[in-house]
Amino acid sequence: QVHLVQSGAEVKKPGSSVKVSCKASGDTFSRFTLSWVRQAPGQGLEWMGRIIPILGMTNYAQKFQGRVTITADRSTSTAYMELSSLRSEDTAVYYCARSSGTYEPTNSWGQGTLVTVSS
Amino acid sequence: EIVLTQSPGTLSLSPGERATLSCRASQSLSSSYLAWYQQKPGQAPTLLIYGASTRATGIPDRFSGSGSGTDFTLTISRLEPEDFAVYYCQQYGSFLLTFGGGTKVQIK
Repeated sequence: QVHLVQSGAEVKKPGSSVKVSCKASGDTFSRFTLSWVRQAPGQGLEWMGRIIPILGMTNYAQKFQGRVTITADRSTSTAYMELSSLRSEDTAVYYCARSSGTYEPTNSWGQGTLVTVSS
Repeated sequence: EIVLTQSPGTLSLSPGERATLSCRASQSLSSSYLAWYQQKPGQAPTLLIYGASTRATGIPDRFSGSGSGTDFTLTISRLEPEDFAVYYCQQYGSFLLTFGGGTKVQIK
């Protein structure tokens, strides 16, 4: 059973960047894909992008292209999501979520990381 | 990107009633790569259905999914108190995944 543990809450200033981590345990890290999904207060789920660690391949939602970078460190089974040029609308809970493969649903989720953007 | 439109936005029902939730895709989904999730306040989503109609491990059989192409349905045959939550559909058949806007099932 895969277990995903994310880093703690962050408070950031507008214009800055944030980097959230997601450490996986319980399964071979490289075998699956890792997505990042965010949820603004009272809003729905928004898929941001994903990485296939074994290939180092990433896909990003058009909305976040150029502003988000997803990376993975296979030696520590940890994925990272960095979002730059933060604005107040980026205030949200950010989740990492695992899929067993490229054409598989997300079936394990981290606990979520609250990122607050405020001056 | 494939756009998913869920309806209705809110469904007000009583325990024991049947719930029917709709998810429409802007283009046909290959091999029915459509999933449904349940989310309760303060929690991460839980996978209910994948492949449009296959229940995930441990999901009660009162939850069922159907549909193909662009039109998909999640049915809860008899609502239990713990089923009142928000439900999202997700397509995972393209390199860019997307979620629907969600349907809130609330107690009438």
